[in-house]
Order: sequence, then structure tokens, then C-alpha cells
Amino acid sequence: NAGVTQTPKFQVLKTGQSMTLQCAQDMNHEYMSWYRQDPGMGLRLIHYSVGAGITDQGEVPNGYNVSRSTTEDFPLRLLSAAPSQTSVYFCASRAPFGGPSGELFFGEGSRLTVL
Amino acid sequence: SQELEQSPQSLIVQEGKNLTINCTSSKTLYGLYWYKQKYGEGLIFLMMLQKGGEEKSHEKITAKLDEKKQQSSLHITASQPSHAGIYLCGADLGDYKLSFGAGTTVTVRA
Repeated sequence: NAGVTQTPKFQVLKTGQSMTLQCAQDMNHEYMSWYRQDPGMGLRLIHYSVGAGITDQGEVPNGYNVSRSTTEDFPLRLLSAAPSQTSVYFCASRAPFGGPSGELFFGEGSRLTVL
Repeated sequence: SQELEQSPQSLIVQEGKNLTINCTSSKTLYGLYWYKQKYGEGLIFLMMLQKGGEEKSHEKITAKLDEKKQQSSLHITASQPSHAGIYLCGADLGDYKLSFGAGTTVTVRA
């Protein structure tokens, strides 16, 4: 069982570079989300999606773009990386809304350093 | 600012002692999650609560959601070194966003 798969696990960028963090899930989950984790701040929601073609902003969306063209994939794009975006990023998914919420499944995380 | 407040921010407990972590919101918690994280690692799902007054236990960890569904507590009985880590509460606040608290760092001393 793959669950939620994130790539890459580690990435070093220079200021101004762009990159995409990939997230894929094989559980047919409608809800997917991206979080960043910084020391002492827990998990902060960046963007989320409740289904293909539907995305919305979370708590800290600035500097990040997302799209949801399929149920399985939810990539996170950094258009012009800044040192403030140095963080650990987690992708998560969960079962459809309308029924029991169920467990929120997390990927293993992607550690991004922006120099 | 975060919509979920966790307390304490950190705690140190002697091995064998009990500890309690609280998670509070001014909004109704429609689904409350507890996760554990070892430093530098991924998140481990502990349990989820949905109904007011609900209580769940797994091994030596018990979580409760109050009747008003605005506060949850996580209680560890007879703590062990394996209980050390960061505990995070997360919740569905009814707006399709799943928000998390800042976390509680637990240190268990032998």
C-alpha cells in the first residue's frame, strides 16, 4: 500500500528558483492538503483541495501555487523561492466529505532549504 | 495566529509518571485528531474523536473530546521513553480546513 507519496524528500534551492513538490495518493481521497512545519509552530495549512478542479487557500498561501487536475495528484509549486520558505512540507489526504471523516494520512515529508 | 491552542508548549516528565496535554478551540471541533512525531520524522496517527463526550484509548494513551466539542485532552499513563516526541492536535473546524495546533514537546526522563 503506497498511501501518500511525496517527492523529493530533500531539496536545496537558491533564492529565486522555482520548483514543484509532488504529492500523489492511491486511496481515492477527495481531500488533499499541503502543510509546512517550522520549529515551534506545528503544522500550518498552505493550500487544500476538496476534489479535482477545486482548490482553496489555507493559513499561509503566499508564495505557493497548487492545482488539482486529477483525484490522485496535488502538486505544490514555489514560483520564486525565498529563504523564508525553508521548511519541512507535508502532504496529506483523507476520505471523502459527507461520511465519516476518517484518518488524515500524511506523506513522509519533504525538507526544503532555500539559500 | 492558530485556531487551535495547545498547552503546555513543552513538558518534562519523570518516567512512570502521568501527563496530560490539552487542545482548545473557540470553534466547534467536528473532528479532532491526535498525532505524534519523533523529531525530524513523519507523523504517527494516534486517534480521532468526533462525538461530544467521546473517549478513546490505545495502550497507555487516552484521548477525550468534551461535550461541547471545543476541547480535547490527551492523557498518557505511566510514561515511558517511547512516549517522548511532539504531540499535535488537529481539527476539522467545519470549513473544510484541517488546522493544527503548535504542538507539545514531551521529554521523558529516566
